[in-house]
Amino acid sequence: DTGVSQNPRHKITKRGQNVTFRCDPISEHNRLYWYRQTLGQGPEFLTYFQNEAQLEKSRLLSDRFSAERPKGSFSTLEIQRTEQGDSAMYLCASSGTVYEQYFGPGTRLTVT
Amino acid sequence: AQSVAQPEDQVNVAEGNPLTVKCTYSVSGNPYLFWYVQYPNRGLQFLLKYITGDNLVKGSYGFEAEFNKSQTSFHLKKPSALVSDSALYFCAVRDYLSGGGADGLTFGKGTHLIIQP
Repeated sequence: DTGVSQNPRHKITKRGQNVTFRCDPISEHNRLYWYRQTLGQGPEFLTYFQNEAQLEKSRLLSDRFSAERPKGSFSTLEIQRTEQGDSAMYLCASSGTVYEQYFGPGTRLTVT
Repeated sequence: AQSVAQPEDQVNVAEGNPLTVKCTYSVSGNPYLFWYVQYPNRGLQFLLKYITGDNLVKGSYGFEAEFNKSQTSFHLKKPSALVSDSALYFCAVRDYLSGGGADGLTFGKGTHLIIQP
């Protein structure tokens, strides 16, 4: 399969714990994006990488959130000291151009 | 700031009838416009895009969309609906002039499309 993959697909954690999600983009895509989607809403942009450089961060991305893309390949999104409000679907997308983005299946986070 | 509005939470259409899912947008410059579809427990799938050129763009699964600059709209259409088209549809926009690496899309809240047999 040559699509965007995300792991894990589901994560349940207790409030205050740290969690890390991984995204593997389509291999030839140099642009990678993270979004968050809550129930009944469209995806909200979090951050964007071009190769290994993080070029854009949304105001939604609080200090507890950090994203990396070492070597310009896969990316990780870490949430420290999780809160119940962090419960959402976290989506990763990749693109080879400035046009359409291709999304992965998402990681559903539940904070109890 | 850019924004997208999808005024209908749900659209109901009988199978075989034409369908329209509405979208309006607001950007500072020229828009790049997109439609995505989301099936339950699956990621967003790209349907079609408008970048420049013809106002009527064709996409996957027989869908098309009409760009109307004066009305700032980008409605999704299909001549004959199928039950399998039932899903959640999202309109998204990127401002062409945002530049500076700000490639993030702004999405609408989504419209549930229900095709009745």
